[in-house]
Amino acid sequence: QSVLTQPPSVSAAPGQKVTISCSGSSSNIGNNYVSWYQQLPGTAPKLLIYDNNHRPSGIPDRFSGSKSGTSATLGITGLQTGDEADYYCATWDTSLSAGVFGGGTKLTVL
Amino acid sequence: QVTLRESGPALVKPTQTLTLTCAFSGFSLSTSGMCVSWIRQAPGKALEWLALIDWDDDTYYSTSLKTRLTISKDTSKNQVVLTMTNVDPVDTATYYCARIFKFFCSSDSCYVAGFDPWGQGIRVTVSS
Repeated sequence: QSVLTQPPSVSAAPGQKVTISCSGSSSNIGNNYVSWYQQLPGTAPKLLIYDNNHRPSGIPDRFSGSKSGTSATLGITGLQTGDEADYYCATWDTSLSAGVFGGGTKLTVL
Repeated sequence: QVTLRESGPALVKPTQTLTLTCAFSGFSLSTSGMCVSWIRQAPGKALEWLALIDWDDDTYYSTSLKTRLTISKDTSKNQVVLTMTNVDPVDTATYYCARIFKFFCSSDSCYVAGFDPWGQGIRVTVSS
């Protein structure tokens, strides 16, 4: 059972937009920054978003992040078949004094 | 270019101690704000954060695994070592190390910029 809650799966057609939610509490998302990761099949995760809404260099602006209260959202526009992957949110939990990840969301581009 | 690479045994017997090494290049773990973390992923499961060591030698552990984990660093060798005692088949997973490029703690909480980049991972099986 992950500390951060994500939907197990989302799907959308190529070219469409999708959002992935990440729900937590005041001890984690509510008072700390959120990062997002993309894990393509058989590969290591890759940082997509840090500090809630910042993209590292090389990450296309089709990927965006936002945070409100104790929830965060990853948005992906202009979906491509190459976006099919598992997506994870992460943050620090103040009460646990530890890093925490979401349970992951599998994105299917139909 | 920042790179990390995990190494260690592919197979460990139950009750044994697992020792994993993360060799990195392209940054110094003596630089303020820098740290290295370990994360694992059991087959078909989600990512699980394990431990972190920062530039100042402060360490943080998963609450559920705290009694079994030790993380340490050798700045001169650019290595971080994770040991896990008394392993069990449920510890079978791919273990990743990753750099955190900005990390600071106050009396209230810790700021973690993000895990970037990640090593390729090492698959460890616990079986007799």
